[in-house]
Amino acid sequence: GAVVSQHPSRVICKSGTSVKIECRSLDFQATTMFWYRQFPKKSLMLMATSNEGSKATYEQGVEKDKFLINHASLTLSTLTVTSAHPEDSSFYICSARTSSGADTQYFGPGTRLTVL
Amino acid sequence: AQSVTQPDIHITVSEGASLELRCNYSYGATPHLFWYVQSPGQGLQLLLKYFSGDTLVQGIKGFEAEFKRSQSSFNLRKPSVHWSDAAEYFCAVGVGSYIPTFGRGTSLIVHP
Repeated sequence: GAVVSQHPSRVICKSGTSVKIECRSLDFQATTMFWYRQFPKKSLMLMATSNEGSKATYEQGVEKDKFLINHASLTLSTLTVTSAHPEDSSFYICSARTSSGADTQYFGPGTRLTVL
Repeated sequence: AQSVTQPDIHITVSEGASLELRCNYSYGATPHLFWYVQSPGQGLQLLLKYFSGDTLVQGIKGFEAEFKRSQSSFNLRKPSVHWSDAAEYFCAVGVGSYIPTFGRGTSLIVHP
C-alpha cells in the first residue's frame, strides 16, 4: 500500500517551454502533497506544500509564478514549470501524506527534467 | 524548529560486513523519526519509522534503528550488508503534522 506515482519519469524540453509533472497517490487519499527538488549529491529541498482544494504554500525563495502547483483532488497534484530555463534542470520528487494525521510521507519515483 | 544531522557524507563497507549510519536530531520533545533509502535516479523508499513505544525499530530489507533519547540519536543498522544496499540514505525528523526535516544524506558504498 501507499504507492505514489509520478509522470513523466524524465522529460527533455526546450528553453522557454512549460512542463507539467503529475503526482498521484494510487491506493490512498492524500490531503497533503509535497514537491521537492533535489540537486546532484544534495538532500531534498522542499519547494511547496500542496493541500487539496486550497492554494499551495511555497517555501522561501521558490517562485510561485514559475512553479505552479495544483492539487485538484485527493489523489492528484501537478507541478508546472513555466518558461523553463536550463537552471531549472533537476530531479523533482513529490510525496504524499495520508489523511490519517500521521506525518509519514510516501515518495514518488521522481522526474528528471532537462531543459536545453 | 527541529533539525537533523547526518555526520557521514560517505560510508564504505565490504559486502557481508555490518553497517551503522548515524543520525542525530535536535528537538525538545520526542520527535517522529524516519529513515529513507534512495537508489540512483529513484524516489525515496521508507525503511522504518519511530513514533513511540519500543525504541528498537525493525524495518524492511533487514534494517533496524534504535532511538536513544539521551544521545538524541536514531542510528540505522544492518548486521550484514548486501551489494544491493548501495544507495543514499536519508534520516528525517518530524513532529506531529509538521513537515519532516531531512538530513543531507549518507552515501553507502559497498565493496565486493
